Amino acid sequence: NAGVTQTPKFQVLKTGQSMTLQCAQDMNHEYMSWYRQDPGMGLRLIHYSVGAGITDQGEVPNGYNVSRSTTEDFPLRLLSAAPSQTSVYFCASSYHQNRAGELFFGEGSRLTVL
Amino acid sequence: GIQVEQSPPDLILQEGANSTLRCNFSDSVNNLQWFHQNPWGQLINLFYIPSGTKQNGRLSATTVATERYSLLYISSSQTTDSGVYFCAVTTSGTYKYIFGTGTRLKVLA
Repeated sequence: NAGVTQTPKFQVLKTGQSMTLQCAQDMNHEYMSWYRQDPGMGLRLIHYSVGAGITDQGEVPNGYNVSRSTTEDFPLRLLSAAPSQTSVYFCASSYHQNRAGELFFGEGSRLTVL
Repeated sequence: GIQVEQSPPDLILQEGANSTLRCNFSDSVNNLQWFHQNPWGQLINLFYIPSGTKQNGRLSATTVATERYSLLYISSSQTTDSGVYFCAVTTSGTYKYIFGTGTRLKVLA
């Protein structure tokens, strides 16, 4: 098992550019989510999904879009990047949001918006 | 929404010392995890512990859900324990893991 795989690991964008952060898991997890971590801060939930075709907003959803067409993949889209979106992004997944719902993280994607 | 607070915010230890990290939450939870974020930024699962006590080597954790707190114990600390420790919780009826503010630990050789 590769676990949770994020690509790219590093990305530099100019203000206004768009991009997609990819997240894939091979553990057949129903739940997937995206977090951002700013320097010296904790993790804040952007968007999450409890299964294919189902997504919902987290704490800081503005400026980001998601979709979930398959169980394995949960891409995060930045339609028009802003310097405030400079951060480290983490994707996480778990089997299900119940008492067996242990969360597993990818290694992170560091995004810089100039 | 639920508030998750961790204490202390910063901790400096001499190698070999013991420590207790605390996670308080403002509502009842149905999931709770402890993570270690190492100096390279990786998030490592330590414990999935919505209630009760677990031990893994020098680390152990206890969650008292009825009193809304969890404790992480680190014994005989090593320099490799340095980093940030986070707790994260979900509440009943939601699918959102909310993270605490973290405890930054530095272990000196």
